[in-house]
Amino acid sequence: GESVGLHLPTLSVQEGDNSIINCAYSNSASDYFIWYKQESGKGPQFIIDIRSNMDKRQGQRVTVLLNKTVKHLSLQIAATQPGDSAVYFCAETVTGGGNKLTFGTGTQLKVEL
Amino acid sequence: GAVVSQHPSWVICKSGTSVKIECRSLDFQATTMFWYRQFPKQSLMLMATSNEGSKATYEQGVEKDKFLINHASLTLSTLTVTSAHPEDSSFYICSASGGVGYTFGSGTRLTVV
Repeated sequence: GESVGLHLPTLSVQEGDNSIINCAYSNSASDYFIWYKQESGKGPQFIIDIRSNMDKRQGQRVTVLLNKTVKHLSLQIAATQPGDSAVYFCAETVTGGGNKLTFGTGTQLKVEL
Repeated sequence: GAVVSQHPSWVICKSGTSVKIECRSLDFQATTMFWYRQFPKQSLMLMATSNEGSKATYEQGVEKDKFLINHASLTLSTLTVTSAHPEDSSFYICSASGGVGYTFGSGTRLTVV
């Protein structure tokens, strides 16, 4: 659905801790999900994706979990580093539905030393 | 990997003038291009979708006569903001898809004075 809001939720973590960023998506027909990282003044950078036939996918230091029952997506970052500080967005799409990506609200991750 | 080049990275223009933003896929053919607008501390909002050689499809509430999109080739799409006003000041981001995945440009910061 549409993403509205005047501010981004913020998650503050200590360096070395694990981070969990959550996202609620709106369209039950969505079958492909992507997590993006966006640094200030830059375009979104792909982190990891998952299709609806899976409930978990792991990458390097990142894991995405998908719960279709409650339309919830999460991104776990292990051993968070200062370079992980950015805004994180989840995005959803329906394959074959014009392939338009709909972005979530976003979460500002701040890594404290 | 897939690379999308977006220019200019920033532009300042006077109210009433037009500004053109270019988005090029450098190493793949982009059958579909997406244009987004992002206001500070907010998410990416899809403005329009364009397929090579076809007219762009605009999202509800986006003025097609104000935001002209051209996708004349498989590697180039342009967004022209016509008769720009201060409320058009925003961060504009393109995304290209060659059928698998999405690659984002680095964004253009438009300031209308």
